[in-house]
Amino acid sequence: EIVMTQSPATLSASPGEKVTLACRASQSVSTNLAWYQQKPGQAPRLLIYGVSTRATGIPARFSGSGSGTAFTLTISSLQSEDVAVYYCQQYDNWPPWMFGQGTKVEIK
Amino acid sequence: QLQESGSQLVKPSQSLSLTCAVSGFSVTSGGYCWSWIRQAPGKGLEWIGYIYDSDSSYYNPSLMSRVTISVDRSKNQFSLKLSSVTAADTAVYYCARGVMGPTYYYYMDVWGKGTTVIVSS
Repeated sequence: EIVMTQSPATLSASPGEKVTLACRASQSVSTNLAWYQQKPGQAPRLLIYGVSTRATGIPARFSGSGSGTAFTLTISSLQSEDVAVYYCQQYDNWPPWMFGQGTKVEIK
Repeated sequence: QLQESGSQLVKPSQSLSLTCAVSGFSVTSGGYCWSWIRQAPGKGLEWIGYIYDSDSSYYNPSLMSRVTISVDRSKNQFSLKLSSVTAADTAVYYCARGVMGPTYYYYMDVWGKGTTVIVSS
């Protein structure tokens, strides 16, 4: 199975700051990589699929990049409503679909 | 829209049964799969399995011997059954729709709100 590793575990930044979350796969997942946002007490929500395509209704401040085994999610200007845990997930090689362990984003 | 329902308190060694009611689209539509994911308290997301074409399924190898996912076309819903549960199966269970993307692989674009299942005697 493919292991997904996210870093950092927790990230604290000021409003308006640019933040970058990392996700690494133990082997290539091609472009079959998604990012999800989970706010406290809520279900996950799809942010990005295919490494860099924003899902419907997702603000342009969210962007994804990378290829093969190394990927990043960038929030260009952190807003208070972005406080959440962010998960990457590979859907290239299954079973199983694997998620990263998550990065918690906090506001300073 | 997806809405989970079913067992909320299950005794150890018994089976857990959940249903996901689908509205706004059909479980028989091509290009979609129907998935279950769970999240233990304070933990990350764990994929359980998915079904597509109403009768083809993939399961997480760690759960495969205990899991069955099925589709009820007449009710436009799909279900999860997990047998021989233990306290480790206590979690929020989510159903989700997978959509086939441009690479012909599925990713999950619509999620239910989740339902909490507690395994306890």
